[in-house]
Amino acid sequence: ETGVTQSPTHLIKTRGQQVTLRCSSQSGHNTVSWYQQALGQGPQFIFQYYREEENGRGNFPPRFSGLQFPNYSSELNVNALELDDSALYLCASSTRTSGTYEQYFGPGTRLTVT
Amino acid sequence: RKEVEQDPGPFNVPEGATVAFNCTYSNSASQSFFWYRQDCRKEPKLLMSVYSSGNEDGRFTAQLNRASQYISLLIRDSKLSDSATYLCVVPSPGTYKYIFGTGTRLKVLA
Repeated sequence: ETGVTQSPTHLIKTRGQQVTLRCSSQSGHNTVSWYQQALGQGPQFIFQYYREEENGRGNFPPRFSGLQFPNYSSELNVNALELDDSALYLCASSTRTSGTYEQYFGPGTRLTVT
Repeated sequence: RKEVEQDPGPFNVPEGATVAFNCTYSNSASQSFFWYRQDCRKEPKLLMSVYSSGNEDGRFTAQLNRASQYISLLIRDSKLSDSATYLCVVPSPGTYKYIFGTGTRLKVLA
C-alpha cells in the first residue's frame, strides 16, 4: 500500500454539475499530482500542487481546478461536467529531491457523467 | 510523433516464457524513466525506475538506450500473476510532469 488515499471511490454525476474529488498524500510527501485516465488510455497529467501552489498544468480547460492544503492533502474540482469527463481520476504523491522523483498513486476515483 | 509510445499488445505468452516490451520517447533531454504496472481497474504501481543505463530487480530488467531513445522491460520466467498492463513513464524534462504511454497489455497463459 502506498498510503495515498482518495475519496470517493465512485461517483455518478449529471452533465453540467460540479464535482470535488479528494486526495490525502503519503506521510512526508509535499507534492500532489492529478491525472485523468480514460478507458484504454494512459493517465493524462492535469496539474500538480507543491506547497499549496499550482506548479505545472496539462492540457485541461480552466473548469478543472484544484487546491492543496497545509497538510498537503489536495482537491480536484471540475465544473460544468461533460460526458467526456467520465474517467478514472488518479492522484499521485511525491516528494522533491534533486532532479525527477517517483510518484505513488492512490486507488483513484471513478467518475461517471450521464 | 507521440511523446511516449508503446505497443498496446496484447502480448499473450505461456507461463515461463520471456517477454520484452519497448517504449520509445521523443524528447532526447529526458533523464529518468519509470515502468508502472496497472491491474484492471486499479491504480498504477511503480515497478522499476531507470536513471542510468538500466536496472534489474529479480525477474525484471529495464534497459535504456539513449541513442535510439527507447526503454525496454524484460520479464523472465513469466508468472500468471504478471498479467497486467505495463505503463512506460517519461517525466517531461525540467518539470515534474509525468508523460505516460498508452500501456502494453500482457496476458500470461497457463
